[in-house]
Amino acid sequence: DTEVTQTPKHLVMGMTNKKSLKCEQHMGHRAMYWYKQKAKKPPELMFVYSYEKLSINESVPSRFSPECPNSSLLNLHLHALQPEDSALYLCASSQERGPRNTEAFFGQGTRLTVV
Amino acid sequence: AQKITQTQPGMFVQEKEAVTLDCTYDTSDPSYGLFWYKQPSSGEMIFLIYQGSYDQQNATEGRYSLNFQKARKSANLVISASQLGDSAMYFCATRTRGSNYKLTFGKGTLLTVNP
Repeated sequence: DTEVTQTPKHLVMGMTNKKSLKCEQHMGHRAMYWYKQKAKKPPELMFVYSYEKLSINESVPSRFSPECPNSSLLNLHLHALQPEDSALYLCASSQERGPRNTEAFFGQGTRLTVV
Repeated sequence: AQKITQTQPGMFVQEKEAVTLDCTYDTSDPSYGLFWYKQPSSGEMIFLIYQGSYDQQNATEGRYSLNFQKARKSANLVISASQLGDSAMYFCATRTRGSNYKLTFGKGTLLTVNP
């Protein structure tokens, strides 16, 4: 089962709201990722978790707060977002973040609109 | 730093014909992985094919093959017998030890398959 599940698929939120994006995988992968993708652009890395610990934060504003409750789950907590944060948010996982250069599997993404 | 270049913003191909999508990369790391992903309008990033820098043979996966020319730092994707469902955005990506194993994407090529 090579599946990464993201919920919700679509989200509209106001600038004062607090919401969370969820990501789940059951492939036994130990590395999980959040990417942000604006229209007609490639995905940009936001965060990497390796063995449930945050290993990379690409200088993302604190209004985005990641959480990895266990090896299968990854959350992205959103608070006080701006309209320019509207984008497709993609979650991905891979066997590990190491020398084996294994592929990352992506979820279908959450299309976020901030109003 | 690593860099991925996809010089074709858009490509058109007739159904059942083959098409080549270009990708060049720039890295000084001797160990790296090259990936191709497909992104339909639905948003999901679908892994297609992987080539390791030390692999002696070009990777193939069904109708997809990777024309790997290491000396030219080129990793073109060849899709044989194009189908209407192949219409999508295609991203080339690389992952190296020097970049902390982050997946770095090119800007993508939008492929349209005409009936």
